[in-house]
Amino acid sequence: QAGLTQPPSVSKDLGRTATLTCAGNRTNVGNEGAAWLQQHRGHPPKLLSFRNNDRPSGISDRFSASRSGNTASLTITGLQPEDEADYYCSAWDVALTGWLFGGGTRLTVL
Amino acid sequence: EVLLVQSGGELVQPGGSLRLSCEASGFTLSNHDMTWVRQAPGKGLEWVANLYKDGRGTFYADSVKGRFTISRDTAKSSLYLQMNNLRVEDTALYYCGRESVGTIGTTAFDFWGQGTLVTVSS
Repeated sequence: QAGLTQPPSVSKDLGRTATLTCAGNRTNVGNEGAAWLQQHRGHPPKLLSFRNNDRPSGISDRFSASRSGNTASLTITGLQPEDEADYYCSAWDVALTGWLFGGGTRLTVL
Repeated sequence: EVLLVQSGGELVQPGGSLRLSCEASGFTLSNHDMTWVRQAPGKGLEWVANLYKDGRGTFYADSVKGRFTISRDTAKSSLYLQMNNLRVEDTALYYCGRESVGTIGTTAFDFWGQGTLVTVSS
C-alpha cells in the first residue's frame, strides 16, 4: 500500500520554529487531514493532533496542525530539547480502506 | 486511567504462528475501534489491522491479509492478533492502539500499548 511522504529529517535551533510536512492525495490527507504522532526512541507513539488540527487534552499549544489541499503540516514553535524525536503523520485512506503512515521525520533540535 | 498492556511476543520460526494479546483498562473496549501497528527494527510505523467497535468489521494491510486475524473478547477486555504463516519480514515491535474521535469528529490513535517484540527467524 502506498504511504504518506514525509522528509526524513529536519534540524532547527533551540527556540526556533519547525514545520514538518506530510504529502498524500485526495483519498487520504485531502479527505479528512492527517493526525500527528511523536515518538521518542524506545517509547510508544504519542498523539499530538487528531486529523484537522484537533489537539488532545494535555498537548502543548506549541504544536499546531494544518492542511492545504493534499499536504498536512505540523508546526512546532519555541523548540525545546525534549521536542527532539521522530514525528509521524497518519491518515485513513477511503480508497484503500486502511490507515496509512508517513515514513517519519526525525527532528533534531540544535 | 486508560491502559493497554500487551503480551505474547517471542521468537518463532518462519511458517509458525503466534497470538498477541492486549488487555485494556480504564475504558470500554466495545466503545472504540482498535488497531494493531508494527515497527520493524530501525524503521517507521506500519498499520497492520483495525477492528470496528461492533467487533465484526475488520480491515487489514495487504502485507498481512489472509495470514493475520484481529479479534477481541469483551468479557476479558482484551484485543488479539492471531498471526499465522509468519515470515521473516514480519519481525517487528507490535503495538496495539485505541482509536478515538476528537472534538470535531475526526479520529486518530490516542492511546498505545507498550509494544511487544515478535522475531521471526530460523
